[in-house]
Amino acid sequence: DIQLTQSPSFLSASVGDRVIITCRASQGISSYLAWYQLQPGRAPKLLIYAASTLHSGVPSRFSGSKSGTEFTLTITSLRPEDFATYYCQQLNSYPYTFGQGTKLEIK
Amino acid sequence: QVQLRESGPGLVKPSGTLSLMCVVSGGSISDNIWWSWVRQAPGKGLEWIGEISFGGHTNYNPSLKSRATISMDKPKNHFALKISSVTAADTAVYYCARFDYDSSNFSYMDVWGKGTTVIVSS
Repeated sequence: DIQLTQSPSFLSASVGDRVIITCRASQGISSYLAWYQLQPGRAPKLLIYAASTLHSGVPSRFSGSKSGTEFTLTITSLRPEDFATYYCQQLNSYPYTFGQGTKLEIK
Repeated sequence: QVQLRESGPGLVKPSGTLSLMCVVSGGSISDNIWWSWVRQAPGKGLEWIGEISFGGHTNYNPSLKSRATISMDKPKNHFALKISSVTAADTAVYYCARFDYDSSNFSYMDVWGKGTTVIVSS
């Protein structure tokens, strides 16, 4: 199975900050990587797919990038509604796997 | 706008079978896409369980050791998940999701249900 290592596991930031979450794949996955936002009691939300394509309706303060097997999710100008847990997922090969998650908390 | 809603028993006895349904509204389950199940155990990350295509083809995570079965009911516009021989390790929030592709064949899960909690306990 392809392992995805996310870092950091926890992140404390303030409204207006810029944060970066990293996801490193154990082997090449081309650009078959997506990012999701999870909040308690709500349906998970797709943010980014194909490593850097912003899903329809997602604010432009979210962006994704790829360098080799390292992927990043960047959130600029954090808003209160952005405090959540973020997961990366590889869709290159079965079984599809997720990173262990990054919990973004308000400082 | 497609919406998904999971339903099923919230409590299942050990060694029993977990059965969940995902109702699709605002769209057809027969569309040219796949439908997936994902779960999250308490304090853990997300785990992909498996998927079913519009044509009924399935793929599963080997971690479930062939205990999972995904099926679909086209007239009722829903798909289902069964996991047999459950243990406490199957306690989780279970999500259903739509699995789609863009024009460049990049895939993603773009519509999710809110999830349903299943506890395995006697």
